[in-house]
Amino acid sequence: EAQVTQNPRYLITVTGKKLTVTCSQNMNHEYMSWYRQDPGLGLRQIYYSMNVEVTDKGDVPEGYKVSRKEKRNFPLILESPSPNQTSLYFCASSLSFYKGRRGVNTEAFFGQGTRLTVV
Amino acid sequence: ELKVEQNPLFLSMQEGKNYTIYCNYSTTSDRLYWYRQDPGKSLESLFVLLSNGAVKQEGRLMASLDTKARLSTLHITAAVHDLSATYFCAVLSGGYNKLIFGAGTRLAVHP
Repeated sequence: EAQVTQNPRYLITVTGKKLTVTCSQNMNHEYMSWYRQDPGLGLRQIYYSMNVEVTDKGDVPEGYKVSRKEKRNFPLILESPSPNQTSLYFCASSLSFYKGRRGVNTEAFFGQGTRLTVV
Repeated sequence: ELKVEQNPLFLSMQEGKNYTIYCNYSTTSDRLYWYRQDPGKSLESLFVLLSNGAVKQEGRLMASLDTKARLSTLHITAAVHDLSATYFCAVLSGGYNKLIFGAGTRLAVHP
C-alpha cells in the first residue's frame, strides 16, 4: 500500500530536549516536505527536499533541521525545542513537480501527522 | 510572492443544499490541488487540476480551474453530513518546490 509514515503520532516533551520526528515513504518519490499546521494559519512549509542530499528551507525553517540521506526517509530534527514549536506536523511526498509538465500525476501524499507539545 | 485565499472560512450548510467554496491565488501557477481534512486526521487528496478549464467530479464534489482569473471553485451538490470536514486548496509555486495552502474552509453540514 502506498503510504507516508510518520512517527511518533503524539509527543510531549520539555523545552530544550532534542527530538526527531521520522518520515518514510514507499512510493519512490523524489520530493519530500515538512509542514506545520496551526489554527488560523493553515499549513506552512518548514523544509523540503527535491531529491537525495538536496534540501532547502521553506517558509518557517527557524529551529528545525532536516536531512535526506536516503530517498525514502526525511526526518525532522528539533535540536532545542521551544513552546512556540507546539504544533501539528505533516510530512508529504510526491514525484517531482516538474514531471507534472509532462502529464505525470504529481499528487502529494501526506503522513498521518505528529502532534507535538513542548512544555 | 504567491498568496492563496479561500472563502468562506466557515460554512454551515443544510443537508440537500448546494454551495461553492472559492480559492483565489495571486500569481500564475500551472497546478492546483484540493484536499479534505477530517478533525485530527491527515489530508486526503481530492483533485489535482492541471489546465485552464479543467473540471473534475467525484460524487457530490466538483472542482474547476480558471487560470486566467486565478480562481478555482469546489462545488458541493446536495450536501450530506459525511461531507463535513475542512477543505483546503493548495497552489504549486513557480519554483515547483512547494504547495502554498489556503487557510481552509471548515464545512459543517446539518439536518
